[in-house]
Amino acid sequence: DVVLTQTPVSLSVTLGDQASISCRSSQSLEYSDGYTYLEWYLQKPGQSPQLLIYGVSNRFSGVPDRFIGSGSGTDFTLKISRVEPEDLGVYYCFQATHDPDTFGAGTKLELK
Amino acid sequence: QIQLVQSGPELKKPGESVKISCKASGYTFTDYAMHWVKQAPGKGLKWMGWINTYTGKPTYADDFKGRFVFSLEASASTANLQISNLKNEDTATYFCAREQLKGYFDYWGQGVMVTVSS
Repeated sequence: DVVLTQTPVSLSVTLGDQASISCRSSQSLEYSDGYTYLEWYLQKPGQSPQLLIYGVSNRFSGVPDRFIGSGSGTDFTLKISRVEPEDLGVYYCFQATHDPDTFGAGTKLELK
Repeated sequence: QIQLVQSGPELKKPGESVKISCKASGYTFTDYAMHWVKQAPGKGLKWMGWINTYTGKPTYADDFKGRFVFSLEASASTANLQISNLKNEDTATYFCAREQLKGYFDYWGQGVMVTVSS
């Protein structure tokens, strides 16, 4: 199975700071069709996960442009340019390129 | 508007079975696959598998083969997850999630907490 390693495990930030989360895959996530099925989800406390980014860098509808996904192959990054209170929670990367689909272990974004 | 509404919390004893539902509304149910995701208390997300809502064919991750069954009531736009011979480690919140064409999950149910305790 593909292992997604997220770092850091937790991240303490001040509001307005930039935050960066890394997701490294044990295999390339580029599918044979050229598409990379790498997504980012945010789970706020007590809520269901919500989609932020799909296809490495595409923001889902309604997601603010301070969320920026990047990367290729096995290395991916989610940057939040100016952290706001509603950004706090646990971030998960997820891959659907290889069967079975797998989630990273999560990165908890919290206030310093 | 598009919604996935799941059934209520369940308290079961080891060895019992449970069936939880995920009712979709606001779109054509058979146009999008449905996935299931497990989250044990205080833990991360684990992908369980998915069901083709057009054909009814389920696909299970290895850890969820045997006691777990995905099914449909397509006429009711509902996907179901049944777990038999419940074990303590099945205690978790179970989410359904709709898959979009590019493989991402754009809508999620609110989750169902299943507690297994003697």
